[in-house]
Amino acid sequence: NAGVIQTPRHKVTGKGQEATLWCEPISGHSAVFWYRQTIVQGLEFLTYFRNQAPIDDSGMPKERFSAQMPNQSHSTLKIQSTQPQDSAVYLCASSSRDNNERLFFGHGTKLSVL
Amino acid sequence: QQQVRQSPQSLTVWEGETAILNCSYEDSTFDYFPWYWQFPRESPALLIAIRPVSNKKEDGRFTIFFNKREKKLSLHITDSQPGDSATYFCAASAAQVVGQLTFGRGTRLQVYA
Repeated sequence: NAGVIQTPRHKVTGKGQEATLWCEPISGHSAVFWYRQTIVQGLEFLTYFRNQAPIDDSGMPKERFSAQMPNQSHSTLKIQSTQPQDSAVYLCASSSRDNNERLFFGHGTKLSVL
Repeated sequence: QQQVRQSPQSLTVWEGETAILNCSYEDSTFDYFPWYWQFPRESPALLIAIRPVSNKKEDGRFTIFFNKREKKLSLHITDSQPGDSATYFCAASAAQVVGQLTFGRGTRLQVYA
């Protein structure tokens, strides 16, 4: 079991560029969550999917951020026109149907917007 | 308004001492309270969790004490070890989606040998 896999580990973009972050949940897990971690704001919930369907995106900034889960093996978080304040570690987590209380986090993608 | 608050922001104890990390919350609909720990350059991992039907949850050296009336909980780490040095996050969620967590800002624990 390789755990939750996130790619890339680090991404540097220029202001105004697009960034796409990838997440491969643990095989068989039914729920996928995206969180963002910064020194200032801490860990913040962004969005989640259950059985590939988007359930709640209440934590997502309404503009420029979007998330998809086209199949059960991966999810993407896309940030358009990146801004310096988007710089953060973006964490993906998954949980199983049998034990939905335990989130398994990936190592995160550190996004740096210059 | 911060829904989940933690104190202290940082804590230093000596090996063998008991570390006490505090947490409080605002939302009465919260009914699942996990603690996650995070080591430097690692991702958060579930340490221990409690539901309000209990006022205490123990797992080895780690114990959660829960006070529903005051909306407070605390994590006690007995016989602290240098390997316990990490940032501890208190989190909370409502019943419907336990994975949709509201995290506190964390307590950074340093245990000296």
